[in-house]
Amino acid sequence: NAGVTQTPKFQVLKTGQSMTLQCAQDMNHNSMYWYRQDPGMGLRLIYYSASEGTTDKGEVPNGYNVSRLNKREFSLRLESAAPSQTSVYFCASNHPGGQRVKNYGYTFGSGTRLTVV
Amino acid sequence: RKEVEQDPGPFNVPEGATVAFNCTYSNSASQSFFWYRQDCRKEPKLLMSVYSSGNEDGRFTAQLNRASQYISLLIRDSKLSDSATYLCVVSLTNRDDKIIFGKGTRLHILP
Repeated sequence: NAGVTQTPKFQVLKTGQSMTLQCAQDMNHNSMYWYRQDPGMGLRLIYYSASEGTTDKGEVPNGYNVSRLNKREFSLRLESAAPSQTSVYFCASNHPGGQRVKNYGYTFGSGTRLTVV
Repeated sequence: RKEVEQDPGPFNVPEGATVAFNCTYSNSASQSFFWYRQDCRKEPKLLMSVYSSGNEDGRFTAQLNRASQYISLLIRDSKLSDSATYLCVVSLTNRDDKIIFGKGTRLHILP
């Protein structure tokens, strides 16, 4: 029962470096999300993908790009890392209920702790 | 008014006591409500959904008050293992970008 798998768990980058955070889910969920969590700020949505082939900006998309590679995988890319992107990143998936079907809520990956120096 | 608002706490509660906290939401069209639990340096995990009629899962009871636009979580006979941050989550069911997380309420159960 893997659920949502994120890699890597920890990463240190230098300012200006690039990297891709990987996320995969095995629950056949349509929707996938990337959040960042900072002290005192709660979870903030970076990007989301309602279905394979679609992506949309969330609350804090600047400095990030995403790819919904297939139904299972949703990656987050930092093209030129900045110290302000030091954070804990969570991937999540969900099968939204729609108007007549119950929403069962999100399943989160275990997170990536990213430090940009 | 913030979209989802929670008392950040911390709530320091002796083991065995009952504790309750509320979460208010601003959008009256909100459809789905949840409580998540997040342990230190871990991912949030779904604790329970909140139904219109209220629901109970063991020592945990969740209630929804649509008229006053808040949800509540009651924990009875609290255990040391209940120490965590509790996140309130509110969503417009058919919109993926309209799932809002509260900033959480920290709960410390004291031995």
